[in-house]
Amino acid sequence: AQSVSQHNHHVILSEAASLELGCNYSYGGTVNLFWYVQYPGQHLQLLLKYFSGDPLVKGIKGFEAEFIKSKFSFNLRKPSVQWSDTAEYFCAVKLSGTYKYIFGTGTRLKVLA
Amino acid sequence: DTGVSQDPRHKITKRGQNVTFRCDPISEHNRLYWYRQTLGQGPEFLTYFQNEAQLEKSRLLSDRFSAERPKGSFSTLEIQRTEQGDSAMYLCASSSGASGSGTSGRWGTDTQYFGPGTRLTVL
Repeated sequence: AQSVSQHNHHVILSEAASLELGCNYSYGGTVNLFWYVQYPGQHLQLLLKYFSGDPLVKGIKGFEAEFIKSKFSFNLRKPSVQWSDTAEYFCAVKLSGTYKYIFGTGTRLKVLA
Repeated sequence: DTGVSQDPRHKITKRGQNVTFRCDPISEHNRLYWYRQTLGQGPEFLTYFQNEAQLEKSRLLSDRFSAERPKGSFSTLEIQRTEQGDSAMYLCASSSGASGSGTSGRWGTDTQYFGPGTRLTVL
């Protein structure tokens, strides 16, 4: 069955540290890839997405992600985190030929001021 | 437009009762999704509507679950004979996209906007 794995369930960083959150999916076909973020007390919102073209995707608030097809990965990065980045981050995959989105279990990021 | 709204925000019910949740998507959005999220997990896809047509439904969804979107605007999700395992957050999301771009292989720039969710507790 198709799945999305997020390796880190909890991450704690100090402000200005660099961030990389892992995301791997298991599906051999064409996919669309997403990162969603949920700030405390807020709805899930889109951070960035990959459909095609340049595998390095830039999103809001300085986040970026790189699609590496050979590794079935779509890791999220930010060079320097801020306290306001404290949130839960979800990787999601949309499979070709379906309308179904598969989400990972999420990574809770806490940034210490 | 104030975004996707869901009602009620919280629902406590006894096992065996039926419950119905409502989702009002962003106006003009033709796509609507329902998800279920339990503690420590990501959203789990339940079903998808394009306008009023229910085009995809999770095989994990039991027959006790049904969803409708009668006029292609708001949607309802009903759970019959609730069980304690149904306790979860039920999320609705909407997006706009070209009709048929899912199965035709043509990708739209589908961005889902999520609502606040309905938290269901089954006692």
